[in-house]
Amino acid sequence: GAVVSQHPSRVICKSGTSVKIECRSLDFQATTMFWYRQFPKQSLMLMATSNEGSKATYEQGVEKDKFLINHASLTLSTLTVTSAHPEDSSFYICSARHSETQYFGPGTRLLVL
Amino acid sequence: TQLLEQSPQFLSIQEGENLTVYCNSSSVFSSLQWYRQEPGEGPVLLVTVVTGGEVKKLKRLTFQFGDARKDSSLHITAAQPGDTGLYLCAGDDSGYSTLTFGKGTMLLVSP
Repeated sequence: GAVVSQHPSRVICKSGTSVKIECRSLDFQATTMFWYRQFPKQSLMLMATSNEGSKATYEQGVEKDKFLINHASLTLSTLTVTSAHPEDSSFYICSARHSETQYFGPGTRLLVL
Repeated sequence: TQLLEQSPQFLSIQEGENLTVYCNSSSVFSSLQWYRQEPGEGPVLLVTVVTGGEVKKLKRLTFQFGDARKDSSLHITAAQPGDTGLYLCAGDDSGYSTLTFGKGTMLLVSP
């Protein structure tokens, strides 16, 4: 199957700082990537759809100025959590579609102190 | 808004038992995918079912897509501790770009 990578896998930061998470499709091009957030023992919650070369589409209730998304190339999307606070601590997962299947990255665990 | 009801939410069983997880919706999906996720990792695709009534087998796992493509089930025979994880069903409607996820079933198989 297709491979999606994420970096970093874990990040700890101080409250008020910004954190960037990268999502890459390693062996295919993805015009669309998706960013999810997941709380412990819960399902995935879609945050936004990242579109290469255009603005991201955010789900209701997700602050676009808080979660900045950039999809500058066909293999890379980035999610920046700006001015992070402890309530932003979560597991962030990206995914990309390839041949009508959605493949997921390994996730990034964010802990904001 | 499309919804996928997944049940049960939690399941704790002994090694060797059989179990079934259900995924139901009032909406029709063009395909349905099942994922398994282990703690601290991303979901891993198990199977995609596309045709109404389709049955797919993956070793001890049997997946079925309802005739009307509104529901699906995952049956595990003789569960092993290695089957422990969060199982997610996700419906794909070609009219939307994203998947609709069920709430997940947390399975714990004890030795």
